[in-house]
Amino acid sequence: DAGVIQSPRHEVTEMGQEVTLRCKPISGHNSLFWYRQTMMRGLELLIYFNNNVPIDDSGMPEDRFSAKMPNASFSTLKIQPSEPRDSAVYFCASSLGDSPYNEQFFGPGTRLTVL
Amino acid sequence: GDSVTQMEGPVTLSEEAFLTINCTYTATGYPSLFWYVQYPGEGLQLLLKATKADDKGSNKGFEATYRKETTSFHLEKGSVQVSDSAVYFCALSVSGNTPLVFGKGTRLSVIA
Repeated sequence: DAGVIQSPRHEVTEMGQEVTLRCKPISGHNSLFWYRQTMMRGLELLIYFNNNVPIDDSGMPEDRFSAKMPNASFSTLKIQPSEPRDSAVYFCASSLGDSPYNEQFFGPGTRLTVL
Repeated sequence: GDSVTQMEGPVTLSEEAFLTINCTYTATGYPSLFWYVQYPGEGLQLLLKATKADDKGSNKGFEATYRKETTSFHLEKGSVQVSDSAVYFCALSVSGNTPLVFGKGTRLSVIA
């Protein structure tokens, strides 16, 4: 299996622009998670989906952030408009929800820089 | 709520030194426990795991034992290498379909 795939790997944009991050989970996994990692705040859970349905988005920092999962093999995280404080590494992870171990598999991340 | 506490870093060791990174947890249920490792510029990857009391997870020379009586899951390695330099995260899960609860991470630097 190719693992969790994220694109782009790096994104540099200017303040005010729309940014879309993409994630393809491992085939057969039914839970998907979006995280953000910064030096100051560490690893933060933004939102997660079970069977394509958003379950908890309480970690989404504000209305500028939105996430969708139109099908089991694709999810997006959108920031509109972007701000410099959104600069971070964004990780997507997936898991097989009914596994007793509930191990999460992480993608390589998207490094976002907002100028 | 559920939480994980791990020792503050950074930790700097010489090659071949013994490593311990402490991790304790609080959980309402009966959790599974994990150690993840993040190498520079990469995502998190599972290092080892344990699902019930007294289970020992092991991988790449690292070990951790699930201690229910002390609610701990300390990570150990007898002889670290420079290639072990990374950030280590302790985490727990109390049920399927819910997010892992992560500790804040401990940065390890091993010098030759």
